[in-house]
Amino acid sequence: DVKVTQSSRYLVKRTGEKVFLECVQDMDHENMFWYRQDPGLGLRLIYFSYDVKMKEKGDIPEGYSVSREKKERFSLILESASTNQTSMYLCASSPIQANQPQHFGDGTRLSIL
Amino acid sequence: GQNIDQPTEMTATEGAIVQINCTYQTSGFNGLFWYQQHAGEAPTFLSYNVLDGLEEKGRFSSFLSRSKGYSYLLLKELQMKDSASYLCAVKGRGSTLGRLYFGRGTQLTVWP
Repeated sequence: DVKVTQSSRYLVKRTGEKVFLECVQDMDHENMFWYRQDPGLGLRLIYFSYDVKMKEKGDIPEGYSVSREKKERFSLILESASTNQTSMYLCASSPIQANQPQHFGDGTRLSIL
Repeated sequence: GQNIDQPTEMTATEGAIVQINCTYQTSGFNGLFWYQQHAGEAPTFLSYNVLDGLEEKGRFSSFLSRSKGYSYLLLKELQMKDSASYLCAVKGRGSTLGRLYFGRGTQLTVWP
């Protein structure tokens, strides 16, 4: 079974802090994704990566950056956390083949105070 | 642009059949996925369609019509545990690589 592991289930940070969310997958998938999920808005793509050191902006990249130094790890960085970044953050990975689904981690519920 | 539409909420009773519709308009198409998401949990993969027609998987079936930009998820013999949000997602082609475009989800409530 594919395992996507997010480093924290719950996280509380303060406005202005630099926040790191980590995601590791164990299936050698090429693609990795970061989403946020808010009530009524669904899943929104922040950034994705299709290879080591490669990244592509999603639909809402502002205020975020990412890092993919190793194939199995994809990090989401909130450069200066703000209260409107309070959300559920979901990481996903998938192989390069078109017919393969994305597999999601359990999510990190992040609160910015 | 990409547009994925599905109803916000649906209700049904245990043992019944429910059909959740999804319409899409995307600049490229490389398959449609359905996911199930229970409250507080991660989405889990249910089905994939890339050709027109019906794919059946136990109590769940998914249908695709590419010419109409339309899909549905059919749930039979509903159980209480089927209460969840159901997400429709379309995979883009070409420069959009492996990304998925998600609808906002349909919250299904199953009543006893």
